Amino acid sequence: AQKITQTQPGMFVQEKEAVTLDCTYDTSDQSYGLFWYKQPSSGEMIFLIYQGSYDEQNATEGRYSLNFQKARKSANLVISASQLGDSAMYFCAMREGRDSSYKLIFGSGTRLLVRP
Amino acid sequence: NAGVTQTPKFQVLKTGQSMTLQCAQDMNHNSMYWYRQDPGMGLRLIYYSASEGTTDKGEVPNGYNVSRLNKREFSLRLESAAPSQTSVYFCASSEKYRDGTDTQYFGPGTRLTVL
Repeated sequence: AQKITQTQPGMFVQEKEAVTLDCTYDTSDQSYGLFWYKQPSSGEMIFLIYQGSYDEQNATEGRYSLNFQKARKSANLVISASQLGDSAMYFCAMREGRDSSYKLIFGSGTRLLVRP
Repeated sequence: NAGVTQTPKFQVLKTGQSMTLQCAQDMNHNSMYWYRQDPGMGLRLIYYSASEGTTDKGEVPNGYNVSRLNKREFSLRLESAAPSQTSVYFCASSEKYRDGTDTQYFGPGTRLTVL
């Protein structure tokens, strides 16, 4: 079974509008972390936002927020006021457990295209 | 700070050739990782090193070896390259902080083609 599922292969959004990228996860651990990364066409992986499983409040970083619904096992990324530079691949990832390795499991990604 | 650096940026090999991908980080992180990304897919973990002197297999270790040379450097070796190893390779490093948070920071990637 897939641990991280991103059901939207591609999405469009109009510039200046908000967009939500979906991510659901599967784990039996009580302690885990959820991450979103951005990969522009240049190829690098850019860390955007992190949510710990015990965090009571949704994480926010500038225009990025994470809509964390623990009971539904979802960790959707919300980008407010989209900009042309937001066009990229977006990956959701999960780190399970408390061991020292902090291995990440990635979803297959969502390609976001911001229209002017 | 340069963060995580990788060399080379691009490489073309013939089937059966060997090569080593180099990775270094200057953030004093304990943990380092090697991932591969195939077209249209997310990253998959090849090997990781939780701390200096330790290495462990990830999801797709076959055909690779690693060396954690010191705290800064973590290399990935392909002993006999195969076309199936054509991919983009990313190195990453991370540290766990007192509040329990940790984040992996990635290098720019190495694009490897095996003919």
